[in-house]
Amino acid sequence: SQQGEEDPQALSIQEGENATMNCSYKTSINNLQWYRQNSGRGLVHLILIRSNEREKHSGRLRVTLDTSKKSSSLLITASRAADTASYFCATAPISGSARQLTFGSGTQLTVLP
Amino acid sequence: KAGVTQTPRYLIKTRGQQVTLSCSPISGHRSVSWYQQTPGQGLQFLFEYFSETQRNKGNFPGRFSGRQFSNSRSEMNVSTLELGDSALYLCASSLAGMDYNEQFFGPGTRLTVL
Repeated sequence: SQQGEEDPQALSIQEGENATMNCSYKTSINNLQWYRQNSGRGLVHLILIRSNEREKHSGRLRVTLDTSKKSSSLLITASRAADTASYFCATAPISGSARQLTFGSGTQLTVLP
Repeated sequence: KAGVTQTPRYLIKTRGQQVTLSCSPISGHRSVSWYQQTPGQGLQFLFEYFSETQRNKGNFPGRFSGRQFSNSRSEMNVSTLELGDSALYLCASSLAGMDYNEQFFGPGTRLTVL
């Protein structure tokens, strides 16, 4: 079963604008990861944030994690048409295998040129 | 390094048949995980293999099985196919150990059951 929900389900913005996606989860986690998927293809790992971290940056990506609210957000700044894809958050459990990821439902991002 | 490869990329089967999907991890990666992606259920964990042993299994019926070979290549098998098994099956490889949580995904095998 899915860990939680992502919000919004779909987001459409103009090139150059910022895009923010939110993820909520249900159980305690070791870390939370964000992945991108282009049109039914494989997933590409974007960024990992550990449960003891609150914010992390990677290029145009900024991820925040609030473990008290069991939520995370992904911000993509200065978006480009090439950022058009589905974005998924995935959580790794606090116990058990770190590789048994539980994915959110995903946000479909469309960046208009 | 070559990425994760999956074969075949597309597969069409009929109900009741069985199917075997193959995954070759990135060289040096010893952990292989499988996920099923459907429009209705999203991405769901199937199982993980490490050192030729199944380490974890998701909530799937026994018709779904897998194995891993000594070279870390993995196969998954689905027997007695049902229409609901139509999905994109994704394989991911990673280094072992708690610090290596990043998983590298293959392009997937699109299975259609008629």
